[in-house]
Amino acid sequence: GAGVSQSPRYKVAKRGQDVALRCDPISGHVSLFWYQQALGQGPEFLTYFQNEAQLDKSGLPSDRFFAERPEGSVSTLKIQRTQQEDSAVYLCASSQGAKDTQYFGPGTRLTVL
Amino acid sequence: SQQGEEDPQALSIQEGENATMNCSYKTSINNLQWYRQNSGRGLVHLILIRSNEREKHSGRLRVTLDTSKKSSSLLITASRAADTASYFCATDPSGGSNYKLTFGKGTLLTVNP
Repeated sequence: GAGVSQSPRYKVAKRGQDVALRCDPISGHVSLFWYQQALGQGPEFLTYFQNEAQLDKSGLPSDRFFAERPEGSVSTLKIQRTQQEDSAVYLCASSQGAKDTQYFGPGTRLTVL
Repeated sequence: SQQGEEDPQALSIQEGENATMNCSYKTSINNLQWYRQNSGRGLVHLILIRSNEREKHSGRLRVTLDTSKKSSSLLITASRAADTASYFCATDPSGGSNYKLTFGKGTLLTVNP
């Protein structure tokens, strides 16, 4: 079946612009995760959804970052007033349950100029 | 913050040789997983080993886990050029937030044809 998809694959933003990154999880997966991966580093946890409920947003680096999953399927990560330090690959993952294997999408590479 | 640390940071071998990567972590875990990331692609799940397991095999992969030393190793036998990728270990902590994967910085493996 189809895996996790993310769009856009690449995004270039000018500093101060708002961006929205989309994640389509595997159909039927209850749990959805966002991670941020800086160049040369491993992914770092941002936030976790169970269905439409955002149960953990402890990894969001600032209040400029906002994530939602209103119908318990597609999720959007929004970054307001982007800064250069927001440049990274943003990875989305989904799993059947919170403790099950997480399947990752290809990521969105965000570059803030 | 990164929980795991892979060692070495980079490894270059010839096709047909074996590759061994190590991972150390800091806190008690439920599971330890290994992921592969090719250039420009998302993370692909390779294998999961539970905290009560010591060794696990999957095809050409062999993973060991030593919870007393808080370390794991990934062995890839008879390597192929297609194995060229970054390899990450990821742990989920025992306790409430056991969905929250914590990744190391990764080992960049290059397999030369």
